[in-house]
Amino acid sequence: DADVTQTPRNRITKTGKRIMLECSQTKGHDRMYWYRQDPGLGLRLIYYSFDVKDINKGEISDGYSVSRQAQAKFSLSLESAIPNQTALYFCATSDLQGAGTDTQYFGPGTRLTVL
Amino acid sequence: AQSVTQLGSHVSVSEGALVLLRCNYSSSVPPYLFWYVQYPNQGLQLLLKYTSAATLVKGINGFEAEFKKSETSFHLTKPSAHMSDAAEYFCAVRILMDSSYKLIFGSGTRLLVRP
Repeated sequence: DADVTQTPRNRITKTGKRIMLECSQTKGHDRMYWYRQDPGLGLRLIYYSFDVKDINKGEISDGYSVSRQAQAKFSLSLESAIPNQTALYFCATSDLQGAGTDTQYFGPGTRLTVL
Repeated sequence: AQSVTQLGSHVSVSEGALVLLRCNYSSSVPPYLFWYVQYPNQGLQLLLKYTSAATLVKGINGFEAEFKKSETSFHLTKPSAHMSDAAEYFCAVRILMDSSYKLIFGSGTRLLVRP
């Protein structure tokens, strides 16, 4: 089984709809991240969490919210989706013990299309 | 500000030829640098990382990268390209922001390997 899983893998939705993307990990890591990937822009950090009581905004948090339900689960929500949120979304984890090297482990991604 | 620049959004090589993917960084402190690879329809996978030890870093699948402080570069190389190396490659630098470390990714370089 994969260490970092994301559901759904693909989603098509309409403008104004609320969408939730889910991430689960079995690595036992404390830190979890949400990124979006756009062609030519690389990955940009949306939100990150260092433990279940710690949530922080990243580079591009506007229009998004997150919930850390447990150490292993970190969800990303789009309260009212808009077309420019069409992108590939990645969840990642890293180990607090390994924070010095910040090796992050990525899920397979969720491709979201907002019409 | 700390950042990463990848020169060339697309690189095309023949099978068996040298692979050279360029990455330059900007950092006010000694950097930690990473190369990740993204195969089609998959998440990012760590290729190698530089954490201020040896300047020549060897990674998986025959890739290596050399940290050159005088050139602020961390280029990725492989002596002989395989068809299976076709993927997108991302360089990243660790930065300290809001009292915690995060990764800043370059915009990516897509490697095409011709038969």
